[in-house]
Order: sequence, then structure tokens, then C-alpha cells
Amino acid sequence: EDQVTQSPEALRLQEGESSSLNCSYTVSGLRGLFWYRQDPGKGPEFLFTLYSAGEEKEKERLKATLTKKESFLHITAPKPEDSATYLCAVAGRGGGSNYKLTFGKGTLLTVNP
Amino acid sequence: NAGVTQTPKFRILKIGQSMTLQCAQDMNHNYMYWYRQDPGMGLKLIYYSVGAGITDKGEVPNGYNVSRSTTEDFPLRLELAAPSQTSVYFCASSESGEQYFGPGTRLTVT
Repeated sequence: EDQVTQSPEALRLQEGESSSLNCSYTVSGLRGLFWYRQDPGKGPEFLFTLYSAGEEKEKERLKATLTKKESFLHITAPKPEDSATYLCAVAGRGGGSNYKLTFGKGTLLTVNP
Repeated sequence: NAGVTQTPKFRILKIGQSMTLQCAQDMNHNYMYWYRQDPGMGLKLIYYSVGAGITDKGEVPNGYNVSRSTTEDFPLRLELAAPSQTSVYFCASSESGEQYFGPGTRLTVT
């Protein structure tokens, strides 16, 4: 059974204070690891897909990295508008052609001005 | 493109009532999914579909039913609503890999 653990559960930063969110996973053959952003009262918004260890992807102040056991979402010089819950999910090879995702519980990020 | 749309946004049901949550996508995606999200519990997969006429159970299917008669629509049916079905429900679609989510339906069963 695929498992995803995210830490910390909540993180409070000052504007400009860089930090990282962690996503540890166990999966039977990784097909993809996905990061999403979720604002209160809204659906998750896709950010990144990582497919293999060593891969990195960037978008504005966000950078996602992947190892064989975990992924990090690095946030550089965050702004208050980066405040959201960040979700991590994995798809294992057991899903056939379908990417069935297993989600972590998320990290609630608050960036204070 | 509207992406993934869901109706209604909010609904209050009495115990034992039934209802259908609607989901539609205009991206011509083959794969569609229904999740529920409870506070502190993350997203749990209820049902999914790999194409019109093909559906399968996810992690938490009890108390729900689905159908997929067209590529665009994937309704979720609740029969005999129970308080345990109070949750926020999200529909998603994908072609390969990343899933795109709708805005959600907040359901309260009292």
C-alpha cells in the first residue's frame, strides 16, 4: 500500500524567510510524485510532477526536488500570497494505465508580512 | 475552457435523503475521479473512471455510487445519507499523470 507523510503539519514563516516542506513516501514503483497547492475553500491546484530521483522543477519562488524516499518543496523568499496548504501525492505502478494518487495530509504554510 | 465544474457548491441533507453531486469536464480527459476531504485526513479516493462506461472503486466507496455515460460527466450518487458522509467532495480529471480538480461541493448531513 502506498503511503505519504508530510511534515511539518503547519509552518509559519516571516516574509522573505526561506524554508522547505518535506514529503516522505513509500510506493511500489514510483510513476510520479505530485505537488499541489490548496487555498481555503478551493480545489487543489497542480504545481509540479517529478518522475525520477534527482529531478528538480521550479516555478517562481517554489522548487521541488525528489530522492528515492522523499521530496522537498523549497520556498525561497516567500510572500504572504504563498500562504496555502501544500499537498503531496504519489502514483505507484499498481494503478495500471491509470494514475491513482495517494495523498498526504498536507502542510499548512502561513507567511506573515 | 471551464476545466472541471461541480454543482452544487453547498448542500445540506437530512439523514436518509439521497442526492447526486454533478461533475463535468471540458478537456476531453479519459480519467475522472471523486475524492472526499475531511479535516486533518487528506484526500481519499471514492471512485474513479478510466473512460465512458468503465468505473471502479477507490479507497472509501461504501455509501456511494457512480456512473459514466459520457466522457464529460461523472456524477456521484449518495444513497441514504449518513452523518459520516459530511465532507467536502472534489472531482478531478486527467489524461496522464497530473489531475485537475474542480472547486468542490461542501456537504453536510444532519
